[in-house]
Amino acid sequence: NAGVTQTPKFQVLKTGQSMTLQCAQDMNHNSMYWYRQDPGMGLRLIYYSASEGTTDKGEVPNGYNVSRLNKREFSLRLESAAPSQTSVYFCASSEGLLTGELFFGEGSRLTVL
Amino acid sequence: QKEVEQDPGPLSVPEGAIVSLNCTYSNSAFQYFMWYRQYSRKGPELLMYTYSSGNKEDGRFTAQVDKSSKYISLFIRDSQPSDSATYLCAMSAKGGGNKLTFGTGTQLKVEL
Repeated sequence: NAGVTQTPKFQVLKTGQSMTLQCAQDMNHNSMYWYRQDPGMGLRLIYYSASEGTTDKGEVPNGYNVSRLNKREFSLRLESAAPSQTSVYFCASSEGLLTGELFFGEGSRLTVL
Repeated sequence: QKEVEQDPGPLSVPEGAIVSLNCTYSNSAFQYFMWYRQYSRKGPELLMYTYSSGNKEDGRFTAQVDKSSKYISLFIRDSQPSDSATYLCAMSAKGGGNKLTFGTGTQLKVEL
């Protein structure tokens, strides 16, 4: 049972480089999310997609773009990486918007030098 | 001031102890309260979910919500080494969907 799969698990970038974090879920969930987790800051919502074809900004969207490619996949793109984007990124999915239960992937650790 | 405050710990207890983990919040619109458990280098997983005030019990875990004090708690009875993890509280407002506001997490270590 794969659940939520994120790739890559680790990445080192130089300032100004771009990259895309990939996320796929096999639970037929409608909603998907991208969070970042930083020490002392907790998990903060970057973007979410309530359903296929829709995306909305969360608490910290600046410097990121997302694409809901289909029901299974939700990618996060950093167009011009900055050291402030060094973080652990988590993708999550949920059946709907009212369940309170998010299923998280194992995280992608990104370092921007 | 953060909307949700949580003592980061670390909290170290002996096996078998009762553990109390707490969060305070400032947004009176929060109606849904959750506790997630996160093992090292893993994603969080939902442990408990409660709506509005009251208690909810699930095995060794009890979640308590006091909306009048804007205070939520998670109690772990008969703690085990396998309970060693970071515990995150999370909450959302009615109509807020699953846009959760998380606490920073409390690191718990249960020692043999």
